Order: sequence, then structure tokens, then C-alpha cells
Amino acid sequence: DAKTTQPPSMDCAEGRAANLPCNHSTISGNEYVYWYRQIHSQGPQYIIHGLKNNETNEMASLIITEDRKSSTLILPHATLRDTAVYYCIVRVANTNAGKSTFGDGTTLTVKP
Amino acid sequence: DGGITQSPKYLFRKEGQNVTLSCEQNLNHDAMYWYRQDPGQGLRLIYYSQIVNDFQKGDIAEGYSVSREKKESFPLTVTSAQKNPTAFYLCASLRTGSNQPQHFGDGTRLSIL
Repeated sequence: DAKTTQPPSMDCAEGRAANLPCNHSTISGNEYVYWYRQIHSQGPQYIIHGLKNNETNEMASLIITEDRKSSTLILPHATLRDTAVYYCIVRVANTNAGKSTFGDGTTLTVKP
Repeated sequence: DGGITQSPKYLFRKEGQNVTLSCEQNLNHDAMYWYRQDPGQGLRLIYYSQIVNDFQKGDIAEGYSVSREKKESFPLTVTSAQKNPTAFYLCASLRTGSNQPQHFGDGTRLSIL
């Protein structure tokens, strides 16, 4: 599985959009991009995933560049409850699940 | 409700003692994973299993052992060979052959007495 790189920390003002970047320059053509977040002392929570098209759900939007080497998670109107560690991972989706590795993520702090 | 149950939530180990962390899922997922998380750090993969009676080492398997006798269960034993076992342990499962995400349990926090 490809490795990802994320900034260690970011701040965002409450009510503004939070844009969290992720670099996955060695991604393979059949690897999906997944985003999770983790609030202190809880298990990671799934947010969104995509292959090459932009995706949107009730929680967030995922923008994947045309060359698929990077992506951005967008929280459109950040609230204080969005303060968490956000993880971007890439993984192949096939019968052989294989390893699924996480990096250190980005600590997002939403400020009033 | 379907999900992953980890128990206990808190666990204390004496020096030289083996302890076993439980992970049970009722999602009918084939693959299961164990991760370790130290304070302020990300998740590191200990072991994973893609099918019953089969498992592979992750990045930090030394001092740990697992078994996968049933699809629903993937217990992790922290042995006395693990010299620094104090950490937060997370279990996850995944439906293979799909692009669906991993599901995580709520974790077990292990401390040394």
C-alpha cells in the first residue's frame, strides 16, 4: 500500500471551511483514498473515500487531483466538535485485503 | 447493531505477565486488524488476518501473538516479551473484495502496574 504524507497540525476558525491536504504521490491505479478522524481515546471514525472522482457526503467533501497524487478533505463549516486527528490512507480494494497502514495524521484544532 | 466490540476498556498488567485483549465483530467481515497507538502518535499495525486460521505480521509484531480460530474473533496476546506494552490498542475489521472502509472498535487501554 502507498504511503501518505500529511501536515502534523492545522488550525481553523469555527464556521469556516477546513481544508486538510494529503500527499500520496506513489498511489497505484487501483488504490482508493480513505479519510478517517479520531477523537481522543476513541476508535477512528470513517469520513469519506474515493478513487478518482470528487466525492461528497453529509460530513465532508473529498477532492482528488487529476493525477491522483494528492487529495484534500474539506469540512465546509467547521465546528468545535470537528477538532480531532484526521488520517488519510490509501488501500487497494480487492479480495486480498492486505495491510492497511496509518500515518500520524493531521491534528485539526477548530477555534472559536 | 452490527459492530466491533473490544474488551476490556482498561487493562492492567503486572511485569512478566501475559494478557489477552478481546476483539469480536458481528459484521461478517473477513479481514481483521490490530493496531497500537502511543500518546500523540498515529496507528501502527501489529497483526492482521485476512481469513480464518491465517494471519500476518504487521510492522511491530514482536512481543505480540494472535489467533483467528473463528471469523468473528481475533484476540491479541501481549506477552512478557513486549517490554513497553503501555498503549492504546485498536481492533478493526474489513469486508474484503469491496471498497468499503474499515470499522474500528473503541479500543483497550493497557497499563503496567
